[in-house]
Amino acid sequence: AQKVTQAQTEISVVEKEDVTLDCVYETRDTTYYLFWYKQPPSGELVFLIRRNSFDEQNEISGRYSWNFQKSTSSFNFTITASQVVDSAVYFCALSITSGTYKYIFGTGTRLKVLA
Amino acid sequence: DSGVTQTPKHLITATGQRVTLRCSPRSGDLSVYWYQQSLDQGLQFLIQYYNGEERAKGNILERFSAQQFPDLHSELNLSSLELGDSALYFCASSPPHGYGYTFGSGTRLTVV
Repeated sequence: AQKVTQAQTEISVVEKEDVTLDCVYETRDTTYYLFWYKQPPSGELVFLIRRNSFDEQNEISGRYSWNFQKSTSSFNFTITASQVVDSAVYFCALSITSGTYKYIFGTGTRLKVLA
Repeated sequence: DSGVTQTPKHLITATGQRVTLRCSPRSGDLSVYWYQQSLDQGLQFLIQYYNGEERAKGNILERFSAQQFPDLHSELNLSSLELGDSALYFCASSPPHGYGYTFGSGTRLTVV
């Protein structure tokens, strides 16, 4: 069975601090995709990144970076120099590629960035 | 605009009623997925359609049903509504090769 765990329910940081959101996944499939989505207070799901299971390169996009480690089944997300606009709920998701491409979402981490 | 259109954006209805949520996928996408986001269950996969046919089912209640029409738009029908059905319902679409969803902005259903 597939599972995604986001152990951090809520994190509060002060603006300009760095923050890391943890994501641990479980799957027996060798081919899968991992995702991060941002859900701001308005409610929509904003796509941040997709990573396939064969690509363990870390990625940086502006203040965002992702660390994918298959050895620990983790796909962590770091925001550098956080801003108030980063306040949102962040979801990690797993998708396997056999048959359906349904997503298994983690329970989300609510990030509050205080001015 | 993500390209996936969900209507209505908000819906308030009474217990026992029936509602229909509509989703128009992004142009060229054949798959439509429905997800429910509730406070106690988080984001859960409900059902997937591919080119008009049901492809996969998740934790969808028997009171709920869906279909995908020849023009590829999809409808999620929720009947005998209960207070616990209050949630944000998302539709997503994906191209034929599967990966890379586009989510709609969701329909917020409130059952009173």
